[in-house]
Amino acid sequence: GQQLNQSPQSMFIQEGEDVSMNCTSSSIFNTWLWYKQDPGEGPVLLIALYKAGELTSNGRLTAQFGITRKDSFLNISASIPSDVGIYFCAGRISSDMRFGAGTRLTVKP
Amino acid sequence: DAGVTQSPTHLIKTRGQQVTLRCSPKSGHDTVSWYQQALGQGPQFIFQYYEEEERQRGNFPDRFSGHQFPNYSSELNVNALLLGDSALYLCASSLGISSYNEQFFGPGTRLTVL
Repeated sequence: GQQLNQSPQSMFIQEGEDVSMNCTSSSIFNTWLWYKQDPGEGPVLLIALYKAGELTSNGRLTAQFGITRKDSFLNISASIPSDVGIYFCAGRISSDMRFGAGTRLTVKP
Repeated sequence: DAGVTQSPTHLIKTRGQQVTLRCSPKSGHDTVSWYQQALGQGPQFIFQYYEEEERQRGNFPDRFSGHQFPNYSSELNVNALLLGDSALYLCASSLGISSYNEQFFGPGTRLTVL
């Protein structure tokens, strides 16, 4: 099935650095979401965006819903070791939620 | 307050067999969605159940079927298993079918087809 284009595929950063990842699609979505998945767990919602142009923060995380409704980005500031994991973007229209392939984040202390 | 639970945790089957996976939604939720997550990929939407009916379906063959019970729990059935069906199967629950309602994911069932 069609998935979103998420980049980068992986990132290796030093603790304290900022991180940015993004997601693009050829389709328009009503909702953009960002999830984090740890090994052996299901994805956990980090941020949900409901309006084009919306910029939302959740602690050290900031995400934006692109004005064209076809893209979104997630920034993590001042990374810490527990930020390690796989981050997924997801676009949703009605019940159908499409996911990106994920960004694997490694944080070196 | 229990979150979404899935059983079994792991399962090994052989090609051609049939499998049933189970999901209990988060307390208070009435809608269950199923996803397939292949290794190294994001989840792919299979279908969603609400009021004991399939409401929307992703791009999956008829070998994938489901059911929702009056207590809102759900089953995913896969017939005539193929090697490519090996994946983590995730269940997510929500309150209602609106695209604005947050979905909460379970830990998944890891299916291996030999």
